[in-house]
Amino acid sequence: EPEVTQTPSHQVTQMGQEVILRCVPISNHLYFYWYRQILGQKVEFLVSFYNNEISEKSEIFDDQFSVERPDGSNFTLKIRSTKLEDSAMYFCASRSSYNSPLHFGNGTRLTVT
Amino acid sequence: KNEVEQSPQNLTAQEGEFITINCSYSVGISALHWLQQHPGGGIVSLFMLSSGKKKHGRLIATINIQEKHSSLHITASHPRDSAVYICALLSGSARQLTFGSGTQLTVLP
Repeated sequence: EPEVTQTPSHQVTQMGQEVILRCVPISNHLYFYWYRQILGQKVEFLVSFYNNEISEKSEIFDDQFSVERPDGSNFTLKIRSTKLEDSAMYFCASRSSYNSPLHFGNGTRLTVT
Repeated sequence: KNEVEQSPQNLTAQEGEFITINCSYSVGISALHWLQQHPGGGIVSLFMLSSGKKKHGRLIATINIQEKHSSLHITASHPRDSAVYICALLSGSARQLTFGSGTQLTVLP
């Protein structure tokens, strides 16, 4: 069964550095999402992406964050000038159509030191 | 804003027991996901439903749109069912999910 693939599985970075989290959604999927889960807390919505543009974003998704679909397969989340509180598990998800189920990647655990 | 409440927060069961996890929400929705989060953190979608009942193997999910309530049942529970089960609501024009806090299920052999 096709999967959403995320790399790396674990990223450690120093405060103030930029990180790029990568996702390869399922190939025929059209809707893409980033979520994050701070340790011990709920999963939170960050941003959705459709038709090569952001369709909705949460208040968490400020100027520090950006998303891109640089080619036909990758979907990236860039976090500039990382802070300690950005440490979390980041999940990518995709769906094929507006009413179809979401498929999640296994997540990237980001640790900011 | 749609509030999602799950109960119980933690559940310990003996192998073979029938398990029920509940989810209530405050605002009408179009659909709801039940998700399973493994100890390593990965999330798997178990069900997406907007009415009635769905069954997959030993898992059954029901939803009552009028009462704003959904349940996830596990029959003949097994230690490998131990995980966090999360109810998440579909909302917004982009159909993003609003997550509950999850129910930590532990099934003892």
